[in-house]
Amino acid sequence: EIVLTQSPGTLSLSPGERATLSCRASQTVSSNYLAWYQQKPGQAPRLLIHGASSRATGIPDRFSGSGSGTDFTLSISRLEPEDFAMYYCQQYSISPRTFGQGTRLEIK
Amino acid sequence: QVQLQESGPGLVKPSETLSLICTVSGASMSSDYWSWVRQPPGKGLEWIGYISYRGTTNYNPSLQSRVTISLDTSKNHFSLRLSSVTAADTAVYYCARHTIVVRGFDPWGQGTLVTVSS
Repeated sequence: EIVLTQSPGTLSLSPGERATLSCRASQTVSSNYLAWYQQKPGQAPRLLIHGASSRATGIPDRFSGSGSGTDFTLSISRLEPEDFAMYYCQQYSISPRTFGQGTRLEIK
Repeated sequence: QVQLQESGPGLVKPSETLSLICTVSGASMSSDYWSWVRQPPGKGLEWIGYISYRGTTNYNPSLQSRVTISLDTSKNHFSLRLSSVTAADTAVYYCARHTIVVRGFDPWGQGTLVTVSS
């Protein structure tokens, strides 16, 4: 099983700033089969990025994903008030599909 | 627009079987892959398993002995059964889709809270 470790656990930033979230895998995620999700309280997760760097339909271009192998990053270029939420990475390279423990992005 | 909606009992007794249905609208179930994911209150996400449009299944080994996912394309829904539940199975249960092209889960249902308690 691939274990995904996200850092930091909590990120405190102000609107307009840039956010950088990390996801490290315990072994290589082949074919960059990695996704990022945003989850707000009381809501289902929403797919932001798949294939490590492809934005899902309707996702603003301030969200971008990068990385390969075992190290992946989600960047949000200019934080909007609605971006403050929980973020999860997830790999679908090998079964079982696994999620990271999440990064909470909070308003400073 | 593809939409998913979970339904089923919100309360299940310990040792009994949890049963949920996910109804799909806006898409044919004769393609794609259909998953269940759960999230205990205040905790992270755990993938339970999926069923393909061909009926093949893939389960999380941590739950495999207790899980059954089935597909009914005529009713446009798929189902989850989790046997011998305990309090540790209390969670919000989500259904979700993934495709060959977009292998991330998209979209998701709104989720349904299932509490295991006597």
